[in-house]
Amino acid sequence: GQQVMQIPQYQHVQEGEDFTTYCNSSTTLSNIQWYKQRPGGHPVFLIQLVKSGEVKKQKRLTFQFGEAKKNSSLHITATQTTDVGTYFCAGGAGNNRKLIWGLGTSLAVNP
Amino acid sequence: DSGVTQTPKHLITATGQRVTLRCSPRSGDLSVYWYQQSLDQGLQFLIQYYNGEERAKGNILERFSAQQFPDLHSELNLSSLELGDSALYFCASSVTSFSTGELFFGEGSRLTVL
Repeated sequence: GQQVMQIPQYQHVQEGEDFTTYCNSSTTLSNIQWYKQRPGGHPVFLIQLVKSGEVKKQKRLTFQFGEAKKNSSLHITATQTTDVGTYFCAGGAGNNRKLIWGLGTSLAVNP
Repeated sequence: DSGVTQTPKHLITATGQRVTLRCSPRSGDLSVYWYQQSLDQGLQFLIQYYNGEERAKGNILERFSAQQFPDLHSELNLSSLELGDSALYFCASSVTSFSTGELFFGEGSRLTVL
């Protein structure tokens, strides 16, 4: 079936270091969304990418959608303790463009 | 505040019992999604309703059922509960029925089955 693989599963960084999480799909995606879930919280929408090769930035966060629309990445520059949480990607797939979720990358930031 | 309301926030029950989780979507959103999140697990999509009709089904057990009412609120019914059903259940809503719609999540209902 359609899958979205997300790596790494866990990442520990020192505050100030960069962080990247990757999503890879076995099929072409119509779009990809990124969500952040703080510990004890609920997922919160960060961004959506739709176009091939699209790059969007939100302050220290950079989101990319691959040329083939099968992969995506989220890069955080100079992490802060407020970046702690689990980052999920979710890709639209199939004729009904159902969202397929990655398992998430949990980010821990040491101050 | 996402605008999505879920009740109850916490629920403790025994194996074999039945519970109902309730969700009120954001004003104007026609789609309601149910997700299950077990400890240290990702989000497992259960089911989606759009304007009262079932739109998509995920890994929902036969012991579970859901519906969306004319006022667009939704209920997830979990029956013959097992220990493994203990999890955080999220409801999310969106304007559209397709994947291009931003999902707004409620704060979740934490179910503990003893």
